[in-house]
Amino acid sequence: GAGVSQSPSNKVTEKGKDVELRCDPISGHTALYWYRQSLGQGLEFLIYFQGNSAPDKSGLPSDRFSAERTGGSVSTLTIQRTQQEDSAVYLCASSLSGQGADYGYTFGSGTRLTVV
Amino acid sequence: GQSLEQPSEVTAVEGAIVQINCTYQTSGFYGLSWYQQHDGGAPTFLSYNALDGLEETGRFSSFLSRSDSYGYLLLQELQMKDSASYFCAATNQAGTALIFGKGTTLSVSS
Repeated sequence: GAGVSQSPSNKVTEKGKDVELRCDPISGHTALYWYRQSLGQGLEFLIYFQGNSAPDKSGLPSDRFSAERTGGSVSTLTIQRTQQEDSAVYLCASSLSGQGADYGYTFGSGTRLTVV
Repeated sequence: GQSLEQPSEVTAVEGAIVQINCTYQTSGFYGLSWYQQHDGGAPTFLSYNALDGLEETGRFSSFLSRSDSYGYLLLQELQMKDSASYFCAATNQAGTALIFGKGTTLSVSS
């Protein structure tokens, strides 16, 4: 696609429920990243996928968080047993390669997750 | 560990020049990136400095000094539309993803 597409744009869920957030990166971008941004805060790295390599999961805050990327394209971030502190905007980004810093990341518009 | 420090807020008037500083502490360093984010919007890539010196792109310039672990974003001829948050970022120790500073909110008034 022309840009990074994320769905849903907004999600309200009850504490304890599981949620799935979807990211469709730019076609041809081999690297995909998930970040979390709390209100007025910076971007917190969660996970990185590059081609068929094992993902870098070092940023996932707990084992309630997981992500997968199927066929090197679409990615799903799953949060199990959601807690109120999970409320944030979840941003997905893609880049041409794993050396994406120099080419820049293209971010999606994010999913605003509210846990009530 | 890695961290990037930048001022939380900067204010300026239209037509002025503003400099947003960023100091970093990283275990390994590849280069410094800058992103702009308008309220409610997605971050957008502005620039990347791999080498020391000044990179100019229109009204925006970015500078890097590796020896000082310091960089800055320079915005000239400020416009109201430049009101946004600006983030500096550097690649993490594993070399896999960017680590971002907490951002600088720029408010441009008329």
